[in-house]
Amino acid sequence: ETGVTQTPRHLVMGMTNKKSLKCEQHLGHNAMYWYKQSAKKPLELMFVYSLEERVENNSVPSRFSPECPNSSHLFLHLHTLQPEDSALYLCASSQDEGSTDTQYFGPGTRLTVL
Amino acid sequence: QKEVEQNSGPLSVPEGAIASLNCTYSDRVSQSFFWYRQYSGKSPELIMSIYSNGDKEDGRFTAQLNKASQYVSLLIRDSQPSDSATYLCAVNSPGGSTLGRLYFGRGTQLTVWP
Repeated sequence: ETGVTQTPRHLVMGMTNKKSLKCEQHLGHNAMYWYKQSAKKPLELMFVYSLEERVENNSVPSRFSPECPNSSHLFLHLHTLQPEDSALYLCASSQDEGSTDTQYFGPGTRLTVL
Repeated sequence: QKEVEQNSGPLSVPEGAIASLNCTYSDRVSQSFFWYRQYSGKSPELIMSIYSNGDKEDGRFTAQLNKASQYVSLLIRDSQPSDSATYLCAVNSPGGSTLGRLYFGRGTQLTVWP
């Protein structure tokens, strides 16, 4: 089992709902990431946080709102999503955000938007 | 746009054979290269990382890097049915605000049949 946990593991929501995804890392890492994995597409980086500061927003729509209250926790707040947002959302962490730092992934949240 | 290309497969090999997975990347200044294994419905799991030209061996796995050709590969010796998964190539490109950013290929689906 990895040191990165995510809840919930599965989520079904309507387009008007508001929900949040949670990620927690127990590895003492300083950097955390949100990725989106859609069928037949490469993993797409969404957000990067380093020492609780957002360092990158990879052109993600505003209906996705990240929050990093401390270096161990990362949230992704969802509102007014579209069916095409249905995907596997993966959280990852790394020691720092350096180019040689290995990223470790959580189990993911399978999101279905109706 | 930093691109990472992999043959999507499926690649099918018999048990005990060598499986060869290939990856090319577009950014010449890429510094770090990773192979992740992803079982169906699961999150990516790190298999190998490689940073210097040449070969790196870890048990049945060998990663090969050729920066001049912008090519990285993964060899799996004595393939087992449990190796059946999708293998993701990830490339980390440095520089400015993109420090520590992983770019993923679409993955190669490997099936090892008994």
